[in-house]
Amino acid sequence: NAGVTQTPKFQVLKTGQSMTLQCAQDMNHEYMSWYRQDPGMGLRLIHYSVGAGITDQGEVPNGYNVSRSTTEDFPLRLLSAAPSQTSVYFCASIGTAYEQYFGPGTRLTVT
Amino acid sequence: RKEVEQDPGPFNVPEGATVAFNCTYSNSASQSFFWYRQDCRKEPKLLMSVYSSGNEDGRFTAQLNRASQYISLLIRDSKLSDSATYLCVVNKGGNEKLTFGTGTRLTIIP
Repeated sequence: NAGVTQTPKFQVLKTGQSMTLQCAQDMNHEYMSWYRQDPGMGLRLIHYSVGAGITDQGEVPNGYNVSRSTTEDFPLRLLSAAPSQTSVYFCASIGTAYEQYFGPGTRLTVT
Repeated sequence: RKEVEQDPGPFNVPEGATVAFNCTYSNSASQSFFWYRQDCRKEPKLLMSVYSSGNEDGRFTAQLNRASQYISLLIRDSKLSDSATYLCVVNKGGNEKLTFGTGTRLTIIP
């Protein structure tokens, strides 16, 4: 039982490049979320999904797209990377009592 | 006012001592409350949910005060391994969008 997995662990992008952060869970949870964590800011919600085919915006959605074609996978796409998107990104799968299970994170640097 | 506020610390506490953190929230309709623990360069992990009646898990006790809109975490007989950042998490009134505090950093000193 892997829980929540994320790839890659580390990534360096140049400004303007695009990439996809992968997230998968094996707990059959309907709800999944993407957060970014910056020093002094806490975790901020980017996008979330309440089930396959259903996504919605969080607090800081600009510059990011998501899709949810299966219950297991919830990829996050950076359309055109900017230095302001340098951050640590966490994917979470949410249980029935709103408890969140986080993946190990992706450390992204945009130069 | 921030939706969820925590004292960032750091709290430097000798091993074996008792330490308590508070976290205040602004939305009186909030329904679910949690404490998470985050080690340096790691993902947050659920420490405990906070119930209206309060709850205890070993050396950890969490309490909810709805009238004053805060939750608390008490750690007794602190261990070196308790050194971490403790995140307060509150839901926005019955949906899946949880709001995280910025965390309280705790260091246990030998």
